[in-house]
Amino acid sequence: DIQMTQSPSSLSASVGDRVTITCQASPGINKYLNWYQQKPGKAPKLLIYDVSNLQTGVPSRFSGSGFGTDFTLTISSLQPEDIATYYCQQYDNLPYTFGQGTKLQI
Amino acid sequence: QVQLQESGPGLVKPSETLSLTCTVSGGSINNFYWIWVRQPAGKSLEWIGRIYSTGSTNYNPSLKSRVTMSVDTSKNQFSLKLSSVTAADAAVYYCARFNHDSSGYYGFDYWGQGTLVTVAS
Repeated sequence: DIQMTQSPSSLSASVGDRVTITCQASPGINKYLNWYQQKPGKAPKLLIYDVSNLQTGVPSRFSGSGFGTDFTLTISSLQPEDIATYYCQQYDNLPYTFGQGTKLQI
Repeated sequence: QVQLQESGPGLVKPSETLSLTCTVSGGSINNFYWIWVRQPAGKSLEWIGRIYSTGSTNYNPSLKSRVTMSVDTSKNQFSLKLSSVTAADAAVYYCARFNHDSSGYYGFDYWGQGTLVTVAS
């Protein structure tokens, strides 16, 4: 299985901060990397697909980058509604796997 | 607007079979992959498997011996069966759609609200 490792596991930031979450894939996964946002008691929501493509309706303060083994999710200016847990997910190979999550707090 | 809704027993006895159904509304089940994901309390997400509208399946090897997925296109539903459950199978179970565009498949874009399954006698 492809192992997805996120860091940090948790992160405390302030409104307006630039926030960066990283995800490392082992082995590499080309461009087949998605990011999901999950709020408590809710289903995950697709934010970014194929590393850097914003899903329809997702605010432009979210962005993604990377290739191969190292990927980044960036929130350019943190808003209160961004408080959630974020997961990376690969779909380069079966079984699809998720990172362990990054819990973002204010 | 596509909507997915999981249904099934919220309590399953150890060693018995967990059975869930996902009903798709607002869109056709045809020509998509449909997936099941689960999430134990306080933990990350685990991909259980996928089924295409034609019935073709792929399962997570960690669960393969116990998982069966099926699809009923006439009802716009797909289902999950997980046999011989233990406490380790207790989780919120989600169904979702694996969407695609002209470039290929790209993400799980529509999800059900999730259903909590408890394993206890």
